[in-house]
Amino acid sequence: QQQVKQSPQSLIVQKGGISIINCAYENTAFDYFPWYQQFPGKGPALLIAIRPDVSEKKEGRFTISFNKSAKQFSLHIMDSQPGDSATYFCAASRGAGNKLTFGGGTRVLVKP
Amino acid sequence: GAVVSQHPSWVICKSGTSVKIECRSLDFQATTMFWYRQFPKQSLMLMATSNEGSKATYEQGVEKDKFLINHASLTLSTLTVTSAHPEDSSFYICSAKDTVNTGELFFGEGSRLTVL
Repeated sequence: QQQVKQSPQSLIVQKGGISIINCAYENTAFDYFPWYQQFPGKGPALLIAIRPDVSEKKEGRFTISFNKSAKQFSLHIMDSQPGDSATYFCAASRGAGNKLTFGGGTRVLVKP
Repeated sequence: GAVVSQHPSWVICKSGTSVKIECRSLDFQATTMFWYRQFPKQSLMLMATSNEGSKATYEQGVEKDKFLINHASLTLSTLTVTSAHPEDSSFYICSAKDTVNTGELFFGEGSRLTVL
């Protein structure tokens, strides 16, 4: 049972464009939703995270939008740069610091 | 930020041998660590939750006798892949929870296991 569904699987965007990745979850007990960036051969690194009591959170060029009623959340990468080319994973857990359920991942390629 | 170190970063072994992977929290204490495996171009799948001083909690479908986890101290958890076979070849990643300070999770850099 895939509890966190992520789309698209891959994404190509021009430099300066906006990358948008969407996730949907099923378990209403989840209350912590982080996004991770992973480069080949490396572990995932936390980008930004949100809790259900806010609808949007922005950190630099990264913004999370959260829709609790729809059980969906998305990551927007503004002004995408070639260095943003990586695989992005959404995740969910019951409380921060607890075991994470990951989405399937989105491979983002930013073309110069 | 907090650092989680995994060792070795890559290992090649023969089929039938056992391999141990270490996960250390370098500057914080972690009573809880998590072990994930990741196949090429796939997501991270949780294998088990490692608890300091007690038995690990394995996810459904993960063979506990195959993947031995020992969390003997507040900064070290080990994953031993016993009698490894080619299908065990994967990227193994640990994460550690900063139990004392922030409660945040930090991931290691991963360990690439190739079984010949």
